[in-house]
Amino acid sequence: EPEVTQTPSHQVTQMGQEVILRCVPISNHLYFYWYRQILGQKVEFLVSFYNNEISEKSEIFDDQFSVERPDGSNFTLKIRSTKLEDSAMYFCASGAFLQETQYFGPGTRLLVL
Amino acid sequence: QKEVEQNSGPLSVPEGAIASLNCTYSDRGSQSFFWYRQYSGKSPELIMSIYSNGDKEDGRFTAQLNKASQYVSLLIRDSQPSDSATYLCAVNDGTASKLTFGTGTRLQVTL
Repeated sequence: EPEVTQTPSHQVTQMGQEVILRCVPISNHLYFYWYRQILGQKVEFLVSFYNNEISEKSEIFDDQFSVERPDGSNFTLKIRSTKLEDSAMYFCASGAFLQETQYFGPGTRLLVL
Repeated sequence: QKEVEQNSGPLSVPEGAIASLNCTYSDRGSQSFFWYRQYSGKSPELIMSIYSNGDKEDGRFTAQLNKASQYVSLLIRDSQPSDSATYLCAVNDGTASKLTFGTGTRLQVTL
């Protein structure tokens, strides 16, 4: 069964460093998402992406964040200058249709020191 | 601010019993509703989706939606210890692509 994959599974970085989180969505899906979950808190929406552009972003998704689909399979989230409060689990999700099921990847646990 | 509310639990049920999980949402324009299961340290895994009023059954799981009351629930019949997890209610409104999640209800199935 096709699934969303994410790399790396864990990332430790120093405050101020740039990180890139990578995702491979399910191959025939058109809608791509990033969410994050701070330890002990709810899953929060960051950004959605369709037709090679951002369709929606949350207040969390400020100028430090960017997304890209560099080729036909990868979908990346870049954090330019990480802060301590960026420490969280970051989930990529994809969906075939708008407002229907989103399938989540296993996540990348980001720790900013 | 669109809200999705769940009782954080823990909800403790004995093995073989029915577990009932509830969720309310604030945006009356919401169109799509989802239940995800999340084990500790893992990602959300889809259990059920429901789009119209009424009940939807899939194996041991039944989702119930009442848009007039802005209420969605999940019933788990014949609960098993492996059902012990946090159950997340997620809502997609009619205009946006994002999911808004509740805080989740932690379910414990005891032997």
